[in-house]
Amino acid sequence: AQSVSQHNHHVILSEAASLELGCNYSYGGTVNLFWYVQYPGQHLQLLLKYFSGDPLVKGIKGFEAEFIKSKFSFNLRKPSVQWSDTAEYFCAVNEVSGANSKLTFGKGITLSVRP
Amino acid sequence: DGGITQSPKYLFRKEGQNVTLSCEQNLNHDAMYWYRQDPGQGLRLIYYSQIVNDFQKGDIAEGYSVSREKKESFPLTVTSAQKNPTAFYLCASGIARPYEQYFGPGTRLTVT
Repeated sequence: AQSVSQHNHHVILSEAASLELGCNYSYGGTVNLFWYVQYPGQHLQLLLKYFSGDPLVKGIKGFEAEFIKSKFSFNLRKPSVQWSDTAEYFCAVNEVSGANSKLTFGKGITLSVRP
Repeated sequence: DGGITQSPKYLFRKEGQNVTLSCEQNLNHDAMYWYRQDPGQGLRLIYYSQIVNDFQKGDIAEGYSVSREKKESFPLTVTSAQKNPTAFYLCASGIARPYEQYFGPGTRLTVT
């Protein structure tokens, strides 16, 4: 079965530090990849997505992610974090086969940014 | 105003009672989903429906039931058979290919 691994459970950074959150998945076929963010007290919302084409995708609020097929990875990055980036971040994967619309989520990473 | 609504925001029940969580969407999405979110466990899929009058079990369907009689609505019933029902429940709807999902605000269920 498909699985998604997110390597750290809790990341603590100071403002202006660079961020990289790891995500690896197990499926060997074609995938759609997503990063979702859940700010405190808010809905889970889409941060960015990869379907095809340029493996470097840009999302909202200065986030970007790079799909590396050979490493089964889709790591999230931001050059300089802000206090408002404090949130929980989830990586999710959809296997592009048949009409299966399921997403498999990782366990999430809590990011705390110190002002 | 388009979106997904879940009600109520907080729900309290006694052990042994069934409880139904509401999820409505006006995004005209064909697919709808129910997830359970527990601390440190991410989102786990309970049930999903890709079309009206059809639904499939997710990874943790035991103790839950759903119906999909209308495109806009996908209620989840947490039955007394669910061993650990206290959790945060998230409903989502999605578009076909590439299956991007949009989430509601969630219902926090506490069973004592």
